[in-house]
Amino acid sequence: KNEVEQSPQNLTAQEGEFITINCSYSVGISALHWLQQHPGGGIVSLFMLSSGKKKHGRLIATINIQEKHSSLHITASHPRDSAVYICAVSGFGNEKLTFGTGTRLTIIP
Amino acid sequence: GAGVSQSPSNKVTEKGKDVELRCDPISGHTALYWYRQSLGQGLEFLIYFQGNSAPDKSGLPSDRFSAERTGGSVSTLTIQRTQQEDSAVYLCASSLGPSGVYEQYFGPGTRLTVT
Repeated sequence: KNEVEQSPQNLTAQEGEFITINCSYSVGISALHWLQQHPGGGIVSLFMLSSGKKKHGRLIATINIQEKHSSLHITASHPRDSAVYICAVSGFGNEKLTFGTGTRLTIIP
Repeated sequence: GAGVSQSPSNKVTEKGKDVELRCDPISGHTALYWYRQSLGQGLEFLIYFQGNSAPDKSGLPSDRFSAERTGGSVSTLTIQRTQQEDSAVYLCASSLGPSGVYEQYFGPGTRLTVT
């Protein structure tokens, strides 16, 4: 079983829909990262969080440390949100990131 | 300011040859990471440098892989006697400090193809 599990693996939605991507992990962590990778493009860090909730524009990330679960939400989704979203965790005293397999999001106009 | 840069952007090499991949981190970033993303696979950690500390090499897949970071800045990832399974995108990232505290900034990657 992978240390970091994401769901769904693929998600297709209509423009304007509310999107939720989930991430569960099985190890103790110091922080959880949400990353975005556009097709053929580089990786951008969206959020880094260790508790609670963060918001940036139409993106919201939440984490529940007790349940070892995080969600990434996109409100009023737009075709430019189409990308692979990757969850990654960093452990205590272990600086390497362990990655989920990613969620491929496609927003249809 | 300038982001993380990597060179070359693409590299095609013959099986058995050695290759060097370069990473220029963001100025002032003390932490530097190398990752690999194979076709259809997720990202995997290779090596981590933090300041003058000994690097964490726990992710290097074999002794054909090595990396160094000179002067706490530029880093080079070397793959000796390349194999076809080494074909992947190699990504470098840097941050102000530990990944539990600081976000990482990723370079555009080097796409390595071993023929």
